[in-house]
This record gives sequence, C-alpha cells and structure tokens, in this order.
Amino acid sequence: DAGVIQSPRHEVTEMGQEVTLRCKPISGHDYLFWYRQTMMRGLELLIYFNNNVPIDDSGMPEDRFSAKMPNASFSTLKIQPSEPRDSAVYFCASSPPDRTSGKGPGANVLTFGAGSRLTVL
Amino acid sequence: DAKTTQPTSMDCAEGRAANLPCNHSTISGNEYVYWYRQIHSQGPQYIIHGLKNNETNEMASLIITEDRKSSTLILPHATLRDTAVYYCIVRVADSWGKLQFGAGTQVVVTP
Repeated sequence: DAGVIQSPRHEVTEMGQEVTLRCKPISGHDYLFWYRQTMMRGLELLIYFNNNVPIDDSGMPEDRFSAKMPNASFSTLKIQPSEPRDSAVYFCASSPPDRTSGKGPGANVLTFGAGSRLTVL
Repeated sequence: DAKTTQPTSMDCAEGRAANLPCNHSTISGNEYVYWYRQIHSQGPQYIIHGLKNNETNEMASLIITEDRKSSTLILPHATLRDTAVYYCIVRVADSWGKLQFGAGTQVVVTP
C-alpha cells in the first residue's frame, strides 16, 4: 500500500485565494482525520470522518474551512478565503476500526500522510 | 481523556537506550497509553500502545507502572534516525479514533 497520499505537498498562495488540499486514505480504512500543525499551537485535530460521514468538526477554526469526503478513497479540505494565519502544515491521517488493525485491543493506529505545507502571503 | 506530562526535551547518545517518561496520574481504568513520534518534516508515526501490561515490538518497549500513573517508552539502541518529537497520549479505546496530541518530548540522538 502506498500509504496516505496528500496533495499538494507545498502550496503558496495569496490572501483571499481559495485553497484545496486533497487526501487519499489507505484502502480499507474507514476513519479519516485532518490535522493542522503550527509552531504556536502544535498538532490540532480539525475534523474526522467515519465511513465518509463527518463525526466531529469542532476543531475547524471557522466557516472559511470546510471538509468533504465524497467517497471512501478521497477527501478534501478547503479554505476560502485563505488568510496568512492559515499558514501551516496540514496532515491527513486514516485508521481502520480497532478490531481490524492487527495490533491488538485498543489499537487506534493512525497512519499519517506526508503533509501539505501551506503558505498564505 | 487523561492529561499527560512529558519532559520538553532530552538528549541520548547513539547506541544507548533512550528512556522517555510520561506521567498520566489521572488515567482511568479503560484508557490506553499510546506513543507516536514525529520526525522532522514528516507526519506522526505510531510506535506502540498498552493498557497495563508491558509491551514490546520491533520499534520499542513500553513499561507501564503497576498503578498505571506513569509509563516509559524505551528505545533500546537509539540511532540518529530516532531524533524526533515523541508524543505520549492517553485515551479510551473504541472512542472512534480521535487522538489529541500534546507538546511531546523532543529527543535528540547525538553521535
């Protein structure tokens, strides 16, 4: 398996532009997570999906952020309009149900992508 | 989920064992201890997890005290590639996969 695939790896845009980040989870994983990482705030969970349905979006900073998962193999995180304070590395992660992870009871093994580094000028 | 406390940073000599402590004094009976690490410019990577018994895998060992209020992650023979931020996370299993990461411990392995 190629792992969790994110694109683009790097994005530089100007304030006010729309940004779309993409994620392809590992096949068979039914959980998908979007995290944001900055020096000031560390790793923050933005939203997560189970079976393509958003379960918890309480970490989404504001209405400018939206996330979708139209099918089991694809998710997007969109920022419109973007602002300089949105500059961060955005990680996507996926996870199988505990009972299928193969790592024993209680395993919530998230596999992360390489991240998308966003710079908003 | 229970709060964890980790040292901000620690150094380790290459080839020696690295022992990373984590305090989780408010852990409840159904909460697991998880360890992840993040190498610079990469996404976090799962290392190991446990409930109350010590655990070992190809990457590390996890020692959990009998009262479960603290644990230690052991990297038996640290290499330069083990330089990373290590996160200790405590949470209830089957709570639908949500993990919250704290500040972690920056481990620097030196030659």
